[in-house]
Amino acid sequence: AQSVTQLDSQVPVFEEAPVELRCNYSSSVSVYLFWYVQYPNQGLQLLLKYLSGSTLVKGINGFEAEFNKSQTSFHLRKPSVHISDTAEYFCAVITSGGYQKVTFGTGTKLQVIP
Amino acid sequence: DAGVTQSPTHLIKTRGQQVTLRCSPISGHKSVSWYQQVLGQGPQFIFQYYEKEERGRGNFPDRFSARQFPNYSSELNVNALLLGDSALYLCASSLVGDRQGSEQFFGPGTRLTVL
Repeated sequence: AQSVTQLDSQVPVFEEAPVELRCNYSSSVSVYLFWYVQYPNQGLQLLLKYLSGSTLVKGINGFEAEFNKSQTSFHLRKPSVHISDTAEYFCAVITSGGYQKVTFGTGTKLQVIP
Repeated sequence: DAGVTQSPTHLIKTRGQQVTLRCSPISGHKSVSWYQQVLGQGPQFIFQYYEKEERGRGNFPDRFSARQFPNYSSELNVNALLLGDSALYLCASSLVGDRQGSEQFFGPGTRLTVL
């Protein structure tokens, strides 16, 4: 069975400061990894995904993530956050298989402080 | 282009009742998935449908059922509602359902409150 752990439920950070949101996964088979963002009262939007190849993945809105197989991690980073980045961020995983069962973490609320 | 649409946006039901939630995928998308997001938690996978057939099911009781229509829209039905069914129900569509990594596009969700 696959699982995703997001250790930080809330992360406060000052505007223009860097941020890292942590994600660790557990799976006995190869995985695809995703980060989604959810703004209040909205659905989820894909930020970036890792399928294969380069372990450093760049996404929208200046976010990037690095896949580390040995540490089973997929941490999300942004060098300088903006007020508009205030939202909840979900790490997710799909294992190999015949369908798209996505397992989500519990989410990290990013609060950008002016 | 219209994104994934869901109806209704909000719904209030009482315990024991039945509810039907609806989802229209992005035009051209043939796969629809349903997720339950309880307050303070991440979404939990309920079903995936592709080409009108169930392709996957999460760990939910038989009170939960779904179907996909020829136009690829989908309905999620929940019978004998419990207080614990109160959640945001998200629908996601994708072009294909059996290729890993195919991006899922999420709708805004239906907020179900069970009293």
